[in-house]
Amino acid sequence: DQQVKQNSPSLSVQEGRISILNCDYTNSMFDYFLWYKKYPAEGPTFLISISSIKDKNEDGRFTVFLNKSAKHLSLHIVPSQPGDSAVYFCAATGGAQKLVFGQGTRLTINP
Amino acid sequence: DSGVTQTPKHLITATGQRVTLRCSPRSGDLSVYWYQQSLDQGLQFLIQYYNGEERAKGNILERFSAQQFPDLHSELNLSSLELGDSALYFCASSGSGTNTGELFFGEGSRLTVL
Repeated sequence: DQQVKQNSPSLSVQEGRISILNCDYTNSMFDYFLWYKKYPAEGPTFLISISSIKDKNEDGRFTVFLNKSAKHLSLHIVPSQPGDSAVYFCAATGGAQKLVFGQGTRLTINP
Repeated sequence: DSGVTQTPKHLITATGQRVTLRCSPRSGDLSVYWYQQSLDQGLQFLIQYYNGEERAKGNILERFSAQQFPDLHSELNLSSLELGDSALYFCASSGSGTNTGELFFGEGSRLTVL
């Protein structure tokens, strides 16, 4: 039972453009959502988070949007830079649930 | 550098064998989490320890076990290994026992079972 889904295994974006990564969840008990970034041969690192009481959180070039009614969140990166090329994991937690991760989306930024 | 150390980084072994993966959390962190990442899969939560005691269990097989020692380092023991156990095993730590979200991950231990 995949409670957190990232339906796009990969995404390719031109440098300078906006990257939009999507994530859907099924468990209505989730109340805190995070994005992690992972480079090859490294562990995931925390990028940005959002609480269910908000619908948007911004940190520099990164913005996370949460649509609770649709059980959907997205990560916007603008402008995209070559160093943003990585695998991005969406994660969620809430209630008694431990941090549940999606399958990841591999983002490639093309120069 | 997350401050979480995992050893070994790579491990190749045969089916039926037993291995132990080791994790040292960030200084001061009391919680240790183990996650498994198989090919094309997300990070699957296995187990959490907090200050030496098991706090939560996820999709951990009976052939797998873990413990957290008084110095807070943790070990994940995988026994009767099968081909399907080949994966990247991550350890993560956090300061609190509640899962408020931000975890600090090690670089992972890549296990290959032949």
